[in-house]
Amino acid sequence: EVQLLESGGALVQPGGSLRLSCAASGFTFGRYAMSWVRQTPQRGLEWLAAVSGSGNSTYYANSAKGRFTISRDIPKNTVFLQMTSLRSEDTAIYYCAKDRAPLDNENFYGYFDSWGPGTLVSVSS
Amino acid sequence: DIVMTQSPDSLAVSLGERATINCKSSQSILYTSNKRNYFAWYQQKPGQPPKLLIYWASTRESGVPDRFSGSGSGTDFTLTISSLQAEDVAVYYCQQYYTSPGTFGQGTKVEIK
Repeated sequence: EVQLLESGGALVQPGGSLRLSCAASGFTFGRYAMSWVRQTPQRGLEWLAAVSGSGNSTYYANSAKGRFTISRDIPKNTVFLQMTSLRSEDTAIYYCAKDRAPLDNENFYGYFDSWGPGTLVSVSS
Repeated sequence: DIVMTQSPDSLAVSLGERATINCKSSQSILYTSNKRNYFAWYQQKPGQPPKLLIYWASTRESGVPDRFSGSGSGTDFTLTISSLQAEDVAVYYCQQYYTSPGTFGQGTKVEIK
């Protein structure tokens, strides 16, 4: 059974940094691209970033580009999202999500058959 | 970015009746070389992450009841619940993955009448 579990969400001040982790199990981790998606009542579901199966290629939404960095540690079956220069509008539930199908080592589809329960990030002074 | 617009925002349907949700993309998400629509539907219940129901516009995910079906092509898509059950109360989202960034619709809340 595929399991994803995020951690690292916290209350952080504007301008601060945070690193989210997502521990994965139940599938061949290095075969699948992984993404981070966030959700707020105001903006709904928003895809942020993806990392290819190999970890060598990364992709970002404009809202994440330059401030967020996605990476993965294949031996540890973990995906990370490093977030810097956080703003109040980054307050959200952050999910990690697994691509449903393997594509190739460097690309991703971007539709997701497994999601973690989410971790809450609050940006406030 | 491709904008996904769902309609209606909410609907109330009697148990056993049909529920229909529409989603329109701001540009075609049909990849002509493989004739695939890069389009998915998700269900989200309170306190839970989204759950994949349909992908490639009409392929049902494993384990999803066959009362759920997806149709459409190009820019216009539909999710149909043929006979609404109590456990189908949720918010439903459409998503395109034709281009990056993948984008979601605003959601449609389905309730029991």
